[in-house]
Amino acid sequence: GENVEQHPSTLSVQEGDSAVIKCTYSDSASNYFPWYKQELGKGPQLIIDIRSNVGEKKDQRIAVTLNKTAKHFSLHITETQPEDSAVYFCAALNSGSARQLTFGSGTQLTVLP
Amino acid sequence: GAGVSQSPSNKVTEKGKDVELRCDPISGHTALYWYRQSLGQGLEFLIYFQGNSAPDKSGLPSDRFSAERTGGSVSTLTIQRTQQEDSAVYLCASSLNRGSYNEQFFGPGTRLTVL
Repeated sequence: GENVEQHPSTLSVQEGDSAVIKCTYSDSASNYFPWYKQELGKGPQLIIDIRSNVGEKKDQRIAVTLNKTAKHFSLHITETQPEDSAVYFCAALNSGSARQLTFGSGTQLTVLP
Repeated sequence: GAGVSQSPSNKVTEKGKDVELRCDPISGHTALYWYRQSLGQGLEFLIYFQGNSAPDKSGLPSDRFSAERTGGSVSTLTIQRTQQEDSAVYLCASSLNRGSYNEQFFGPGTRLTVL
């Protein structure tokens, strides 16, 4: 089955700096890669996703890149703000063989004012 | 509109007791998922329901865990003879599941503490 590894487990940045979270996956047939943000006491919420037919996707201050050859994808947050502080999860799905996402272990991002 | 709701939000029980956790998915969503999130860990898949198909139970950790979905809507996760290692946040998610890529909408979770 799929295995997703996520790094780092914790990340602290100064407000206004960029944050990068990286994930690797094992199933070369995986074709869908969402990122979820989980605030304290809440369920995860989708913030951006990318499919295997593109290499990069941007949405305002958030971007995701995908390297299919290396089987890794990354989340980039620019101009970080205190409200970006949360736990971020990456996930991967092979839509041809599964319907459930495999999640990474999460990154606790803290944006220091 | 209403999102995914779960009840109770917190549950404290004694070791050996049975517990039932409830999930109300978004209306019209045909897929429903249960996950377990232990402290500081990622989301561990437990079980998946899709319409009237047989559920995918491949993630259930033991036969003490079971789930059902009545009428294709509300789902109940039951843990029998709870153990301390069952303490975690149990998350439910639903999705439209039309096509290959579908956003999963998560509920706020039920925090289970087994004493």
